[in-house]
Amino acid sequence: GAVVSQHPSWVICKSGTSVKIECRSLDFQATTMFWYRQFPKQSLMLMATSNEGSKATYEQGVEKDKFLINHASLTLSTLTVTSAHPEDSSFYICSAKAQSRYGYTFGSGTRLTVV
Amino acid sequence: AQSVTQLDSQVPVFEEAPVELRCNYSSSVSVYLFWYVQYPNQGLQLLLKYLSGSTLVKGINGFEAEFNKSQTSFHLRKPSVHISDTAEYFCAVSASYSGAGSYQLTFGKGTKLSVIP
Repeated sequence: GAVVSQHPSWVICKSGTSVKIECRSLDFQATTMFWYRQFPKQSLMLMATSNEGSKATYEQGVEKDKFLINHASLTLSTLTVTSAHPEDSSFYICSAKAQSRYGYTFGSGTRLTVV
Repeated sequence: AQSVTQLDSQVPVFEEAPVELRCNYSSSVSVYLFWYVQYPNQGLQLLLKYLSGSTLVKGINGFEAEFNKSQTSFHLRKPSVHISDTAEYFCAVSASYSGAGSYQLTFGKGTKLSVIP
């Protein structure tokens, strides 16, 4: 149990376009979802925390207007990178947590390349 | 706030040899501790976690870790590694109380384990 599906697994887009990444909890209700960014050979940096039905809480330094997070249901959260630029190229990972138990389940990640 | 220090960025080890990946944490409150493994271009897979109880925690793939509160450490060990253990390993911590921010994981910088045939 506790599976999180994240897609796409990789995406290449042109500079200036927007990209949406989806994160779905397949067999549990994710009351809280987390979005991370990982640069090459570095650790995961938390970008934002979202609770179902409420606005995401962004970490310091993360532009909320650039990285739009929607957590409209208990099984789906989306991250939209708006007006992407090459410096947004990175590996993005989501993580979901159920209210009923303690534990985090990670998605398989999305490799974004902006050209 | 919590912080995690993984003392070794890279650890090469020969196949079938034992390995220890070190992790120290800092926190003003009691914590939960985790070890995750990441294979290239993939998400994170939980190896093991410490929430409470026995300080020796056994996880998947033959890994174990020991929580040492006095030394604020949570080192990961495996008695005999395999080629397939080559990956990046992350130690993480979260506060154990319930409240704002309590569910956030703070990660160490990771340790790349390379198993040499």
